[in-house]
Amino acid sequence: DTGVSQDPRHKITKRGQNVTFRCDPISEHNRLYWYRQTLGQGPEFLTYFQNEAQLEKSRLLSDRFSAERPKGSFSTLEIQRTEQGDSAMYLCASSEGQAGAFFGQGTRLTVV
Amino acid sequence: KNEVEQSPQNLTAQEGEFITINCSYSVGISALHWLQQHPGGGIVSLFMLSSGKKKHGRLIATINIQEKHSSLHITASHPRDSAVYICAVWGGAQKLVFGQGTRLTINP
Repeated sequence: DTGVSQDPRHKITKRGQNVTFRCDPISEHNRLYWYRQTLGQGPEFLTYFQNEAQLEKSRLLSDRFSAERPKGSFSTLEIQRTEQGDSAMYLCASSEGQAGAFFGQGTRLTVV
Repeated sequence: KNEVEQSPQNLTAQEGEFITINCSYSVGISALHWLQQHPGGGIVSLFMLSSGKKKHGRLIATINIQEKHSSLHITASHPRDSAVYICAVWGGAQKLVFGQGTRLTINP
């Protein structure tokens, strides 16, 4: 296992289109987190899973955003009807409880 | 007020200088991360600590739980240390809360 991987690394989409990102955590990690980072800011929490259960969602996660972790392994984050304000880096992290968190390289989304 | 505050937000120094980045937090925590982020986005965890001090190469991290404060020090700084350094805490809500980051530039 080489760490947390995210796919794609970059995504350019037209406003109004739907996009889906994938995160593969470290295999033995039960927790998976999604964060969003805009330019010059620290990452902001979006949502997290313990195994397949989505335990918390940020108010930042509007109705257009949905995240799943169907088998407690990989996770997907979907944004429907993208807006220019959705342009950001989307980061995934995983951990075993509150032991060290490991981060993916992120998916950079640009909505044009 | 953010739960995690870092200072300074930007820091420029000359190669060889001793660097200190500070992190203060307002919530009870179980542990604190120092993270490094290079242009391009990837985040690397440098340290996770819940008490005392840790050292790895030229990097030293300290934490004072009573004062809710942590520092990251870089000795003999080098241009390759140029990056954004982010403090993040495991709070009671069981998620990492991040500071805004400190952009460090080391000039040769």
